[in-house]
Amino acid sequence: EAGVAQSPRYKIIEKRQSVAFWCNPISGHATLYWYQQILGQGPKLLIQFQNNGVVDDSQLPKDRFSAERLKGVDSTLKIQPAKLEDSAVYLCASSPTRDSSEAFFGQGTRLTVV
Amino acid sequence: GEDVEQSLFLSVREGDSSVINCTYTDSSSTYLYWYKQEPGAGLQLLTYIFSNMDMKQDQRLTVLLNKKDKHLSLRIADTQTGDSAIYFCADLGGGADGLTFGKGTHLIIQP
Repeated sequence: EAGVAQSPRYKIIEKRQSVAFWCNPISGHATLYWYQQILGQGPKLLIQFQNNGVVDDSQLPKDRFSAERLKGVDSTLKIQPAKLEDSAVYLCASSPTRDSSEAFFGQGTRLTVV
Repeated sequence: GEDVEQSLFLSVREGDSSVINCTYTDSSSTYLYWYKQEPGAGLQLLTYIFSNMDMKQDQRLTVLLNKKDKHLSLRIADTQTGDSAIYFCADLGGGADGLTFGKGTHLIIQP
């Protein structure tokens, strides 16, 4: 079974530029999550989708971050404009259902903002 | 908000048992998890326990849950160099709105 795929693996941008990350969850998984992991900390949930609808985006900085999952499969997370403090690893995870016991993580995209 | 706490470092000798501890605050947690993260890699689910269980064993891994004290532990028997990683405790709250992670425990293996 293929795992959660994310791209790119690494991205370096200057502050005030825009960046987008892509995630392809495990086939058939209805729930998709984006997490932000700042160096030295645990992952923090940014947004959760159930199919193509947003379940929870309470911790998403909506003035600069946006995410979509238009067809209920792939998802993109965008930052516009980026700030230095956005430097982190962005992890995508998926699970079969919202209350499933297991969430599977991709390898993440490491973003460096200079 | 909900919180998950772990100590930042644990150093053990190769061959000994490692015990990584975690406390959480969400009394409505349904599942509690241990994830492993090696350098440059994503999170690997090691094991999880349902909140109405006390213990779960899976090969070298033993998870103990004290729901009254909101304390979770992960015991790794016969610790090997390949176990060197950061271990994250996480809980899934009753609202099932994503996982809340601790900051991770760096497991350091001494030869």
